[in-house]
Amino acid sequence: KQEVTQIPAALSVPEGENLVLNCSFTDSAIYNLQWFRQDPGKGLTSLLLIQSSQREQTSGRLNASLDKSSGRSTLYIAASQPGDSATYLCAVTEGAGNKLTFGGGTRVLVKP
Amino acid sequence: DGGITQSPKYLFRKEGQNVTLSCEQNLNHDAMYWYRQDPGQGLRLIYYSQIVNDFQKGDIAEGYSVSREKKESFPLTVTSAQKNPTAFYLCASSTSGGFEAFFGQGTRLTVV
Repeated sequence: KQEVTQIPAALSVPEGENLVLNCSFTDSAIYNLQWFRQDPGKGLTSLLLIQSSQREQTSGRLNASLDKSSGRSTLYIAASQPGDSATYLCAVTEGAGNKLTFGGGTRVLVKP
Repeated sequence: DGGITQSPKYLFRKEGQNVTLSCEQNLNHDAMYWYRQDPGQGLRLIYYSQIVNDFQKGDIAEGYSVSREKKESFPLTVTSAQKNPTAFYLCASSTSGGFEAFFGQGTRLTVV
């Protein structure tokens, strides 16, 4: 059974510092990997989608890499801002029904 | 304005009652999903549907039921058999092919 892990569970950085968020998964037979942002009490907002054949995706200050063979993805957020404070979740899509399996998330606080 | 609409945002249930959470999407997606989110446990899959009039159990389907009579709608009923229904419920849909997932804003259910 697929397991997705995000370490650390929480992270606090000063404004302007680059953020590095990690995601690991146990079964490399995935269709894609998706990074989401969740603000308190809200739904999930899709940030980046990496197909299994891709190595990375970029959107503005965000860059996500994928190494299927080692079961790892990393989300980089450049020049962090207080507005980046949120919980970041990664999820892999796999199997019948194209279900998502989620990691537990990393709660990020960017201090002004 | 395309998206996923969940209603209500907050729902209160008395012991022994069934309640139904609404999820509507106008993205023309075939696949729809229901997840439950509890503090410290991440998102867990309740039910999913890949096509109208068909759905499958996820990891924690006991005490829940769904229907998929229309492509746009995937309501979730929390029955009295669900022993611990207080949680945040999230509905999602995904594209065919790329399987990118999009989420609604969630419904917070509280048993009183």
